[in-house]
Amino acid sequence: SQQGEEDPQALSIQEGENATMNCSYKTSINNLQWYRQNSGRGLVHLILIRSNEREKHSGRLRVTLDTSKKSSSLLITASRAADTASYFCATGQFGNEKLTFGTGTRLTIIP
Amino acid sequence: GAGVSQSPSNKVTEKGKDVELRCDPISGHTALYWYRQSLGQGLEFLIYFQGNSAPDKSGLPSDRFSAERTGGSVSTLTIQRTQQEDSAVYLCASSLGIRDSSDEQYFGPGTRLTVT
Repeated sequence: SQQGEEDPQALSIQEGENATMNCSYKTSINNLQWYRQNSGRGLVHLILIRSNEREKHSGRLRVTLDTSKKSSSLLITASRAADTASYFCATGQFGNEKLTFGTGTRLTIIP
Repeated sequence: GAGVSQSPSNKVTEKGKDVELRCDPISGHTALYWYRQSLGQGLEFLIYFQGNSAPDKSGLPSDRFSAERTGGSVSTLTIQRTQQEDSAVYLCASSLGIRDSSDEQYFGPGTRLTVT
């Protein structure tokens, strides 16, 4: 079963608005990462947050992590048409080099 | 420098045939991963190589799937006697492998496999 489950599965917003995607997971983690995928091909790493961190920023991206609720959120501010893509969260466990990916959120930015 | 490359980019094969998919990781990356992504789905872990250690094959769906990594660099994923359910995009990723899963993974563009 998937460790990470993204919510919503699909999201459409107007350009300039903020987009929020959520990720829930089931077991203890070492870190949580967010990736973007365009056109069903290779993924691009966006941001990593460690289990002892609560919030992290990178440009227009803001990630939060709540280990008590086993959840994370990705906020994209001032969205642009180029942000249209699928976004995946991935969790890493202690002592395990594998990442477990969620099912993704399909984000569409309407110009 | 060059990123992760995969070949072929697209492969159409008949049911029952064998296929080989190739991955060239980023130079110096000791960790290499194979994933499978079916249409509209998330990534399914297949196999992981780290340096000279025995690979983690726990994600391989059947004994028709195998992978090797020669010289700690190039990897080949082989699917024998392909079935229609094998149709998917096969993604390869590499990472530095210095630490644990905190390493950022760099993905190749994938190979789209279609079994007819």
